[in-house]
Amino acid sequence: TQLLEQSPQFLSIQEGENLTVYCNSSSVFSSLQWYRQEPGEGPVLLVTVVTGGEVKKLKRLTFQFGDARKDSSLHITAAQPGDTGLYLCAGADNYGQNFVFGPGTRLSVLP
Amino acid sequence: DAGVIQSPRHEVTEMGQEVTLRCKPISGHDYLFWYRQTMMRGLELLIYFNNNVPIDDSGMPEDRFSAKMPNASFSTLKIQPSEPRDSAVYFCASSGGVEQYFGPGTRLTVT
Repeated sequence: TQLLEQSPQFLSIQEGENLTVYCNSSSVFSSLQWYRQEPGEGPVLLVTVVTGGEVKKLKRLTFQFGDARKDSSLHITAAQPGDTGLYLCAGADNYGQNFVFGPGTRLSVLP
Repeated sequence: DAGVIQSPRHEVTEMGQEVTLRCKPISGHDYLFWYRQTMMRGLELLIYFNNNVPIDDSGMPEDRFSAKMPNASFSTLKIQPSEPRDSAVYFCASSGGVEQYFGPGTRLTVT
């Protein structure tokens, strides 16, 4: 069974601060995705990383896939209250469609 | 496109009753997923379909749960009989490739 761990579980920061959240596993994934979920809504896909060592940037968000495709990080620069939410990572098996989700990091950005 | 549509958004039922959750995927997507989310267990994949055929139902908790996809535009998740431990938010997601798009979820409360 492939399992994903995320850290920290909770994070509360002030607007303007930088932060990094982590997603780790002992398993290798064919791809890894990051989602953000707001209360009362479904998760929304932020990015998909496929290649080991890959780095993708989405405005103030930087995503990195580990060289061994077992871990990933999400870095947010100058966090804003609109970044508040539950950040979930999900790893896909070799078939690319069976996803395992991590427990999430709940981020709160205070104005 | 309206996105993934789920109904009902909220369902409150008594223990022992049958519950049916409904999902309309995004047109053209050939994968459909059912997930369950709770605070304790996070987001869990229950079952997924490809071209209306169930591919992996290993996440379905027990025989009380069943899912069908009679055509490309409709799927149901049925719980019979329901139990209080089934209380959760149930999400449907669809995909045309690697990216999954989630519906708004159905919040189920079994009393």
